[in-house]
Amino acid sequence: AQKVTQAQTEISVVEKEDVTLDCVYETRDTTYYLFWYKQPPSGELVFLIRRNSFDEQNEISGRYSWNFQKSTSSFNFTITASQVVDSAVYFCALSTTSGTYKYIFGTGTRLKVLA
Amino acid sequence: DTGVSQDPRHKITKRGQNVTFRCDPISEHNRLYWYRQTLGQGPEFLTYFQNEAQLEKSRLLSDRFSAERPKGSFSTLEIQRTEQGDSAMYLCASSPREAGGVDEQFFGPGTRLTVL
Repeated sequence: AQKVTQAQTEISVVEKEDVTLDCVYETRDTTYYLFWYKQPPSGELVFLIRRNSFDEQNEISGRYSWNFQKSTSSFNFTITASQVVDSAVYFCALSTTSGTYKYIFGTGTRLKVLA
Repeated sequence: DTGVSQDPRHKITKRGQNVTFRCDPISEHNRLYWYRQTLGQGPEFLTYFQNEAQLEKSRLLSDRFSAERPKGSFSTLEIQRTEQGDSAMYLCASSPREAGGVDEQFFGPGTRLTVL
């Protein structure tokens, strides 16, 4: 079975603090893709990153960085120097190439950045 | 490129009524997905279209639910005899077809359904 676990339901930080959102996934497929999406209060899911199972390089995009570790089945997301605008619900998702490429989402982590 | 659009954005209905939602994907995308999201949960997959063919339906999609994508363009999701448990946000997403890979899905703003 495929599953995504985001154990942190809600995190609160003070502006400018760094914060890491955890994502642990389960799949028996050897080829799979992992994603992070942001859902701001407006509700629309915004794509942040896609990573395939063969590329374990960490990625940095501005204040965002992602750490993919196959050994622990984790794909964690770090926001450096958080800002109030980062406040949102963040979802991790898994998709495989067997089937219809649907996403399996985690339950999300609500991030509150306080001024 | 105007993105994925959904109509209506909000729908309030009484239990037992039928409702229909529409999704217009990004024009060149041939993959279309419907998801349902309840409060405090991540989106859950409902159904998938590749062009006009409906290739997968989740067990969440009971007989009261039907989806279509005529001519491989827009899609509709109909719920018959609505129940209070159907109250949720219904999300549509589309993606292009990347040979051998999985593209990111682009999501619409969703239709929030409230069944009284």
